[in-house]
Amino acid sequence: AQSVTQPDIHITVSEGASLELRCNYSYGATPYLFWYVQSPGQGLQLLLKYFSGDTLVQGIKGFEAEFKRSQSSFNLRKPSVHWSDAAEYFCAVGARNQGGKLIFGQGTELSVKP
Amino acid sequence: EAQVTQNPRYLITVTGKKLTVTCSQNMNHEYMSWYRQDPGLGLRQIYYSMNVEVTDKGDVPEGYKVSRKEKRNFPLILESPSPNQTSLYFCASSQSGGAKLETQYFGPGTRLLVL
Repeated sequence: AQSVTQPDIHITVSEGASLELRCNYSYGATPYLFWYVQSPGQGLQLLLKYFSGDTLVQGIKGFEAEFKRSQSSFNLRKPSVHWSDAAEYFCAVGARNQGGKLIFGQGTELSVKP
Repeated sequence: EAQVTQNPRYLITVTGKKLTVTCSQNMNHEYMSWYRQDPGLGLRQIYYSMNVEVTDKGDVPEGYKVSRKEKRNFPLILESPSPNQTSLYFCASSQSGGAKLETQYFGPGTRLLVL
């Protein structure tokens, strides 16, 4: 069965420090992969997505993610975190031929220290 | 502005009192979907619709109904709400679903409390 695991429930980083949020997936074929961000009281905003091609994907707000098939991972990175990045981040895999369903991880809450 | 809207944003109700959460998109998207978000579980799909008059169950459809009479609207109906349906609900839409999975756009969410 398809699944997504985000091992870190909560991460705290200092402003200006680098960030890496982990995401591991289980899927039988090449997946469609997404990272969404949810700011407090807001809906989900797409940060970036991977469908095929270059395994390093650039997104909005300075985020990037790298697809590593051998590790079944799609980790999200940012070189320098800003206080406004504090939010909850969700990794998701798109299930092909299953009605467009997105399978989400449990989410990682990011706190940013001044 | 392209957007997905949901109403109401917050709702407190009592067990057994029928309610409807509306969802509307102005992007002429064919595909619409409902998710619920619970702590530690992420988002789980309730129902989805590939197009008008076409709906199907997601992973957690029990206790919910949907309809798709118009392309832009996809209401979520709770005929007899129970406390375990207390959750944060999101509507989403995309140009199309299926094999060619495309970016889904999410509404702002509806926070439901069932007493």
